[in-house]
Amino acid sequence: NAGVMQNPRHLVRRRGQEARLRCSPMKGHSHVYWYRQLPEEGLKFMVYLQKENIIDESGMPKERFSAEFPKEGPSILRIQQVVRGDSAAYFCASSPRLGTGTEAFFGQGTRLTVV
Amino acid sequence: DQQVKQNSPSLSVQEGRISILNCDYTNSMFDYFLWYKKYPAEGPTFLISISSIKDKNEDGRFTVFLNKSAKHLSLHIVPSQPGDSAVYFCAASAQRGSEKLVFGKGTKLTVNP
Repeated sequence: NAGVMQNPRHLVRRRGQEARLRCSPMKGHSHVYWYRQLPEEGLKFMVYLQKENIIDESGMPKERFSAEFPKEGPSILRIQQVVRGDSAAYFCASSPRLGTGTEAFFGQGTRLTVV
Repeated sequence: DQQVKQNSPSLSVQEGRISILNCDYTNSMFDYFLWYKKYPAEGPTFLISISSIKDKNEDGRFTVFLNKSAKHLSLHIVPSQPGDSAVYFCAASAQRGSEKLVFGKGTKLTVNP
């Protein structure tokens, strides 16, 4: 059983470009969470999604950031018009059912570098 | 406003000795606490957790202690092994099953052979 798969592992974007980060949850998991880790910081919650629904996006920046988890395919975190401050590690986690976000399994992360 | 604080950025111990990692929190609504271990270039791995109704939880070499009145928890690793060298994150949630975890900044543990 493969774990949470994130790709790409490393992503370099120029300022103003778009970044797309993908997350495939563990088999049988229908709940996905995105966290961001800035340099020298802990992980910060961004968004919680179920299939085709955004449940909690209280940690998402108001502009340029969006997330989706379609019925088919991976969850996508999209960052439009990236700026240097978006450089961070972005982690996805998944869990099998509601109420188990605290026992979610994390992917290896995508390290975004904005140049 | 940092609700979960790990005041020691790093800790170095000898193999076989005890490692004690500390964590303080400010939000009295937190009632579930977790420790994660993270190796470089990997995602966090769940280690151990504790509910606020307990003051101790043990799993093999790992024990977590919770002092609610002091809003303090600690992770004890006994005996420490070189493979334990990693960054350890303390995390908290306001309700067991809450989808939102609040993380500390982490403590880098180095266990020397």
